[in-house]
Amino acid sequence: YVLTQSPPVSVAPGKTANITCGGDDIESKSVHWYQQRPGQAPLLVMYEDKDRPSGIPERFSGSSSGSTATLSINSVEAGDEADYYCQVWDSRSNHVVFGGGTKLTVL
Amino acid sequence: EVQLLESGGGLVLPGGSLRLSCSSSGIIFKNYAMSWVRQAPGKGLEWVSGISGPGYPTHYADSVRGRFTISRDNSKNTLSLEMNNLRVEDTAFYFCAKTKIASIPPYIFDLWGQGTLVTVSS
Repeated sequence: YVLTQSPPVSVAPGKTANITCGGDDIESKSVHWYQQRPGQAPLLVMYEDKDRPSGIPERFSGSSSGSTATLSINSVEAGDEADYYCQVWDSRSNHVVFGGGTKLTVL
Repeated sequence: EVQLLESGGGLVLPGGSLRLSCSSSGIIFKNYAMSWVRQAPGKGLEWVSGISGPGYPTHYADSVRGRFTISRDNSKNTLSLEMNNLRVEDTAFYFCAKTKIASIPPYIFDLWGQGTLVTVSS
């Protein structure tokens, strides 16, 4: 199973960043999102498509429609600059699958 | 403090073996499934293996099945990864990650360690 993420994105502070994750029949799966800042461990920022863990700002939101899941970051800040990964569980292969990652640069 | 701490990484020859450990603190370890996730330098995340809270079932990526073994000792709050027949392509930072519940699936990684580097090279 393959998850395909959108290319690197550059966004000015205060604007909105949208990062997408596509996969076969993804609408039937729960999608989770992780933020990884340089030199740090990943951090869960969204789970089950649209639920925010405690401590994650409301600026982060998630959605899933058709064959694409989307992580949106409103009012982007310098601290949001990171790699973002989507992840699902593929029940056919019994594997966890990560997308290839999307680099967010804050201009 | 809630944290995971990996250890056991290092330099090993191709074909060699290594055992990684992950110690937990601040959580009721047996209540959560755990996983190993790796990241080659400059590359993306790759899931390696997972184990439920009680210790069964376990799951493995195709790239490591038959060579790596995941296990846990709930009495010592410790997760392990036994790695045999190591290959150059196994070179990566290895993270242990906690999931939200004891069963697998689902795999939702809500706590990560800082990682330990495994280098396989001659």
